[in-house]
Amino acid sequence: DVKVTQSSRYLVKRTGEKVFLECVQDMDHENMFWYRQDPGLGLRLIYFSYDVKMKEKGDIPEGYSVSREKKERFSLILESASTNQTSMYLCASSLSQGAPRSQETQYFGPGTRLLVL
Amino acid sequence: AQKITQTQPGMFVQEKEAVTLDCTYDTSDPSYGLFWYKQPSSGEMIFLIYQGSYDQQNATEGRYSLNFQKARKSANLVISASQLGDSAMYFCAMRERFNTDKLIFGTGTRLQVFP
Repeated sequence: DVKVTQSSRYLVKRTGEKVFLECVQDMDHENMFWYRQDPGLGLRLIYFSYDVKMKEKGDIPEGYSVSREKKERFSLILESASTNQTSMYLCASSLSQGAPRSQETQYFGPGTRLLVL
Repeated sequence: AQKITQTQPGMFVQEKEAVTLDCTYDTSDPSYGLFWYKQPSSGEMIFLIYQGSYDQQNATEGRYSLNFQKARKSANLVISASQLGDSAMYFCAMRERFNTDKLIFGTGTRLQVFP
């Protein structure tokens, strides 16, 4: 089974702190994703990576950065946390199929609930 | 722009009854894929079912089936014989065409199954 793990289930930080969210997958997937989930807004893509050291902005990259030094690990960084970054953060990974009709799903981690005070 | 719409913020269904969760999508591309995910209160997203735009038959996976109406651009999830454990958030998603490994998600529907 595919396993995607996230470093913390719950995290409380103060405004202005630098926050690291870690995600690790064990299936040798090329693609990794970071989403945030807010009530009434669904999942919104922050950043994704399709290879080591490669990254692309998603729909809401402002205030975030990412790092992918190894294939299995994708880190989300909040350089200076703000209260509007309080949210649920979900990491996902997938094989690179390169076809829109591919049945290959994304596999998700358990999520990190971040509270910024 | 591609878009997924789930108009039902919440649904109730009695145990053992069937329920339909609505999903409409908007795309100008003929080739796309549609997914449904379940998110229990624990937070993890669980893949349920997939429908390809050229698939001739509606997808089925156990108690889950997808009512795919291409002309109407709808991909409704049908859960038969609801169980208490089906209570969760349900998300519809579409794989984009030109960024073929990305998914666009709807806002979700919260399903509550009561005894």
